[in-house]
Amino acid sequence: GDSVTQMEGPVTLSEEAFLTINCTYTATGYPSLFWYVQYPGEGLQLLLKATKADDKGSNKGFEATYRKETTSFHLEKGSVQVSDSAVYFCALSGNAGNNRKLIWGLGTSLAVNP
Amino acid sequence: NAGVMQNPRHLVRRRGQEARLRCSPMKGHSHVYWYRQLPEEGLKFMVYLQKENIIDESGMPKERFSAEFPKEGPSILRIQQVVRGDSAAYFCASSPQGDTQYFGPGTRLTVL
Repeated sequence: GDSVTQMEGPVTLSEEAFLTINCTYTATGYPSLFWYVQYPGEGLQLLLKATKADDKGSNKGFEATYRKETTSFHLEKGSVQVSDSAVYFCALSGNAGNNRKLIWGLGTSLAVNP
Repeated sequence: NAGVMQNPRHLVRRRGQEARLRCSPMKGHSHVYWYRQLPEEGLKFMVYLQKENIIDESGMPKERFSAEFPKEGPSILRIQQVVRGDSAAYFCASSPQGDTQYFGPGTRLTVL
């Protein structure tokens, strides 16, 4: 079945460092890909998404490109801030019909130190 | 437009009691998804509902769990005879037809 694999954390960076969180997927067909962020004690917020190959999702300085040839959707940010400390989840959903249930990676915890 | 509402935010139950979790989708959204986040595990899909219909319950445990999304009112996830292993965060998400899901703040269930 479909699955998502993301790099294990925790990831600890200094402020203004470059961030990469790797995400690869296995899916039949052509899924949509998502990054969600969960701040401590809160729910999940959509960070960015891409719905087809070579699309680039971007938001708040974060970017990820849908790479069909490598089945990847790595999250990047050029300069992280302390406020980016959170857990980041990569997810996919199918594009057929109305059922868009999300298949999730295990999450990667990011801590940014001042 | 208010976001997805879930209540209660925190719920404590003793083993054998019932837990009822409520989810009010965003205005205009007729699709609701429930997910469970177990400690030290990722999020898992549980059930997908449209108004008055269960579309996909492939992620629901076969016993003790049920869900509904009536014509009027919130979606309800019901857990009967709770056990300690049910302790988790339960998130619902709503979407317009076949589109991005928007999540509520979650209900954190603790079973004593």
